Amino acid sequence: EIVLTQSPGTLSLSPGERATLSCRASQSVSSSYLAWYQQKPGQAPRLLIYGASSRATGIPDRFSGSGSGTDFTLTISRLEPEDFAVYYCQQYGSSRSFGQGTKVEIK
Amino acid sequence: EVQLVESGGGLVQPGRSLRLSCAASGFTFDDYAMHWVRQAPGKGLEWVSGISWNSGSIGYADSVKGRFTISRDNAKNSLYLQMNSLRAEDTALYYCAKDSDILTGSFVFDYWGQGTLVTVSS
Repeated sequence: EIVLTQSPGTLSLSPGERATLSCRASQSVSSSYLAWYQQKPGQAPRLLIYGASSRATGIPDRFSGSGSGTDFTLTISRLEPEDFAVYYCQQYGSSRSFGQGTKVEIK
Repeated sequence: EVQLVESGGGLVQPGRSLRLSCAASGFTFDDYAMHWVRQAPGKGLEWVSGISWNSGSIGYADSVKGRFTISRDNAKNSLYLQMNSLRAEDTALYYCAKDSDILTGSFVFDYWGQGTLVTVSS
């Protein structure tokens, strides 16, 4: 099973700042089969990115994904108040697994 | 508008059974694979089970294999999860999730329900 490790565990930033979230896989993720989800308290997860870099329908362009192999990044170019949430990466190339999450909190 | 509404959760004793349901609307249900994903209180996400559009392909996480059974009724636009031999570690919010890829299935979850809570405790 591919283990995904997200870092940092918590990111403390101010609105307008840039957020960079990391997701590292224990083995190469085939065909960049990596997705990112956002989850706010009391809500279901929301798909942001799939295929490592493709934005899902309706996702603002301040969200971008990059990476391949074992290292992937989610970047939020300028944090809006509604972006403070927990973010999970997920690989779907070999079985399925999620990272443990990164919390983006208001500084 | 895609809607997924789960039901059937509750408090159950260890070793007992529970059946979850998910009512789907707003899309052509029988074109898409469907999944169950769970989240233990204060924890991360775990894929539990998935079923292809025609029930021809089914998969389970190792943690539930042999105890849980996924099924669907395309005529009723409904997804189910039969959970037997429940354990304390099965306590979680169970989400129904739609696969993003038509027919083939990709294990990318583009729509989620609000979840139904299952608590396993004596």
